[in-house]
Amino acid sequence: KNEVEQSPQNLTAQEGEFITINCSYSVGISALHWLQQHPGGGIVSLFMLSSGKKKHGRLIATINIQEKHSSLHITASHPRDSAVYICAVIGGETSGSRLTFGEGTQLTVNP
Amino acid sequence: KAGVTQTPRYLIKTRGQQVTLSCSPISGHRSVSWYQQTPGQGLQFLFEYFSETQRNKGNFPGRFSGRQFSNSRSEMNVSTLELGDSALYLCASSLGPSNSPLHFGNGTRLTVT
Repeated sequence: KNEVEQSPQNLTAQEGEFITINCSYSVGISALHWLQQHPGGGIVSLFMLSSGKKKHGRLIATINIQEKHSSLHITASHPRDSAVYICAVIGGETSGSRLTFGEGTQLTVNP
Repeated sequence: KAGVTQTPRYLIKTRGQQVTLSCSPISGHRSVSWYQQTPGQGLQFLFEYFSETQRNKGNFPGRFSGRQFSNSRSEMNVSTLELGDSALYLCASSLGPSNSPLHFGNGTRLTVT
């Protein structure tokens, strides 16, 4: 069993739909990252969370430390949101930038 | 402010050769971390440097090494290349503490033939 598991692995949506990607982890963490990777490889960090909820534009990320679970929501999805979304965790205060990654969710938003 | 710069973008090497990849972090960032991405294994942590010292190391063989210079620029080296080393190598920089946001470069795509 991977330490970080994401679901679903693939997601196809129509433009305008509300999207949820889930991430569960089995280790204690100090922070959780949601990352976005477009074709070509570049990665953008969307959120870093250690508790609660963060919002940036149409993106919302939540984390429940007790349940070891995080969700990434996209409201009013758009074709430009099509990308791979990756959840990654940092194990503890001494872990620096040692991330453990989920396998990613391939999102396709059709016009 | 310039972003994280990785050079070269693409590289083709032959089995048995060695390769050096470079990462220039955002100005003021003292931490540089390296990651390998392959279709089979996904993203995996290689190592992290902070103020010229290796702070963390992933589960990779000794053929993978790195260093960080006083200006925070970092290099990683892979010796005796194997076909399985073909991957996208990404670096990320941050201010340093584990709760610092990460900024990724565009990666170096290494192909080993």
